[in-house]
Amino acid sequence: SQKIEQNSEALNIQEGKTATLTCNYTNYSPAYLQWYRQDPGRGPVFLLLIRENEKEKRKERLKVTFDTTLKQSLFHITASQPADSATYLCAPPGANNLFFGTGTRLTVIP
Amino acid sequence: DAGVIQSPRHEVTEMGQEVTLRCKPISGHNSLFWYRQTMMRGLELLIYFNNNVPIDDSGMPEDRFSAKMPNASFSTLKIQPSEPRDSAVYFCASSAGGSNEQFFGPGTRLTVL
Repeated sequence: SQKIEQNSEALNIQEGKTATLTCNYTNYSPAYLQWYRQDPGRGPVFLLLIRENEKEKRKERLKVTFDTTLKQSLFHITASQPADSATYLCAPPGANNLFFGTGTRLTVIP
Repeated sequence: DAGVIQSPRHEVTEMGQEVTLRCKPISGHNSLFWYRQTMMRGLELLIYFNNNVPIDDSGMPEDRFSAKMPNASFSTLKIQPSEPRDSAVYFCASSAGGSNEQFFGPGTRLTVL
């Protein structure tokens, strides 16, 4: 069955450093993958979409890569700030919907 | 647009009672999703509507759960009878379909005592 794994439940990083979050998928080949941010007590908010023919996508301090050979997407936040602290979810598509990973809780320490 | 609207924001009820959660999607969106989120299981899709028609309800836990979408601007998720294990945050999301992003509502935090 299709499976989504985000490499760690929690990641702590010093302010100013680059945070790298990993999303691995198995048993299928998604045509695209979305990344969302979720703050406590709120619903997820869309950040970026990357398609299988795109190696990299950028938006301000965010960068997403998509390696269809490794079946992996990496999500980078450069020059991280305490305001970046949140849970980040990867979501490749399923038959009718998105499969959401369990998320990685990022804490940026001042 | 006000975004996806959900009500109530919080619901506390006793086991055995009926619970109805409400959602108003973003105008013009043709896809609507109901999710449940818990610490243990993460974000799980319960049911997906396209153009008001249920397309995939394989995530609905059991017959106690039902969902309707009588028109393009309103959907309900009903749990009857409710059980303590139904305690979770329930999210409604809408999208323009396809690979378009999903817009989530603020969620309803349900506690069943």
